[in-house]
Amino acid sequence: QQQVKQSPQSLIVQKGGISIINCAYENTAFDYFPWYQQFPGKGPALLIAIRPDVSEKKEGRFTISFNKSAKQFSLHIMDSQPGDSATYFCAASRSGAQKLVFGQGTRLTINP
Amino acid sequence: NAGVMQNPRHLVRRRGQEARLRCSPMKGHSHVYWYRQLPEEGLKFMVYLQKENIIDESGMPKERFSAEFPKEGPSILRIQQVVRGDSAAYFCASSLVRDPGTGEQYFGPGTRLTVT
Repeated sequence: QQQVKQSPQSLIVQKGGISIINCAYENTAFDYFPWYQQFPGKGPALLIAIRPDVSEKKEGRFTISFNKSAKQFSLHIMDSQPGDSATYFCAASRSGAQKLVFGQGTRLTINP
Repeated sequence: NAGVMQNPRHLVRRRGQEARLRCSPMKGHSHVYWYRQLPEEGLKFMVYLQKENIIDESGMPKERFSAEFPKEGPSILRIQQVVRGDSAAYFCASSLVRDPGTGEQYFGPGTRLTVT
């Protein structure tokens, strides 16, 4: 059972454009939604996270939009740069549980 | 403050051999998590440990896999009698507190296991 579904699987964006990655979840008990960035050969690193009491969170060029009724959340990367080329994972967890449930990942390529 | 350390970074084992993967959490972190990443897939939770205790092993295969986090030393993920399907990247994460919503999980660089 795939509890967190992520799309697209891969994405190519021109430098300066907006990259958008979407995730949908099934478990309404989830209350923490982080995004991780992973470069080849490295471990995932937390990029930005949101709780369902807000609909949007922005940190620099990175924004999470959250739609609780639709059980969806998305990552927007503004002014995308070649250095943003990486694999991005959405994840979810619920209070009291320790494990993160990850989406399948999106391989993002920013063309110069 | 050194990050999460994992060794070896790459491990090659023949079918039937044992694999031992080590994880040293960040200084001061007493919560350790192991995740497995198959090629072109997301990370899948395997086990959560605190010092000397396995708290949640709901993601661990029932056979051949075991994990420990002793009072002294690194956490160990042990895979006995490896098979080709065990080939994957194994990531360890650690946190200062239990709840990922309040305590970030910091990931190590991973161990890439190849079974030939």
